[in-house]
Amino acid sequence: GAGVSQSPRYKVAKRGQDVALRCDPISGHVSLFWYQQALGQGPEFLTYFQNEAQLDKSGLPSDRFFAERPEGSVSTLKIQRTQQEDSAVYLCASSLAKPGVGGYEQYFGPGTRLTVT
Amino acid sequence: EDQVTQSPEALRLQEGESSSLNCSYTVSGLRGLFWYRQDPGKGPEFLFTLYSAGEEKEKERLKATLTKKESFLHITAPKPEDSATYLCAVQAGGSARQLTFGSGTQLTVLP
Repeated sequence: GAGVSQSPRYKVAKRGQDVALRCDPISGHVSLFWYQQALGQGPEFLTYFQNEAQLDKSGLPSDRFFAERPEGSVSTLKIQRTQQEDSAVYLCASSLAKPGVGGYEQYFGPGTRLTVT
Repeated sequence: EDQVTQSPEALRLQEGESSSLNCSYTVSGLRGLFWYRQDPGKGPEFLFTLYSAGEEKEKERLKATLTKKESFLHITAPKPEDSATYLCAVQAGGSARQLTFGSGTQLTVLP
């Protein structure tokens, strides 16, 4: 079946521009996560949704970062007034995560590589 | 704070030369330990979940094991196509659902 998809795959933004990154999770997956990955490092947690509810946004680095999942499916990560330090790969992951069923493993999309110039 | 440390950072093997990758962790109540494979320019690909000490899982040339403090990913008779970065991650118990990742081991298998 279809995996997690993300768009765009590559984004170049000038410093100060706003960007929006899209994630389409695996159909039926309740949980959706955003991670940021710097070169040579493991992914770092940004935020987590269960259906449409944003249950944890403790990893968002500043108030310029905003995420939403209004209908409990597609999610958008928005970064306002981009800075050079925002350059990274942004990964989206989804998991089934149903109590009593399990499925806590997360399946990742290909990522969006953001370059801020 | 949950922490994951992977070693070595990089490993070069000859084809057929077996070895192990290490993942040491500290976590408040382990819900699960996860191994992923990541190829350049791609997202992490799920390999295994381990839930309790003593558990082992196998897939082709890979075998993952878990103790109370660390996990090992054993690679038996590797092939060049096994070359990738291998990431280890933990998920804590309680209401947290996010994964805490190590920095990965970059494996290169030479023909």
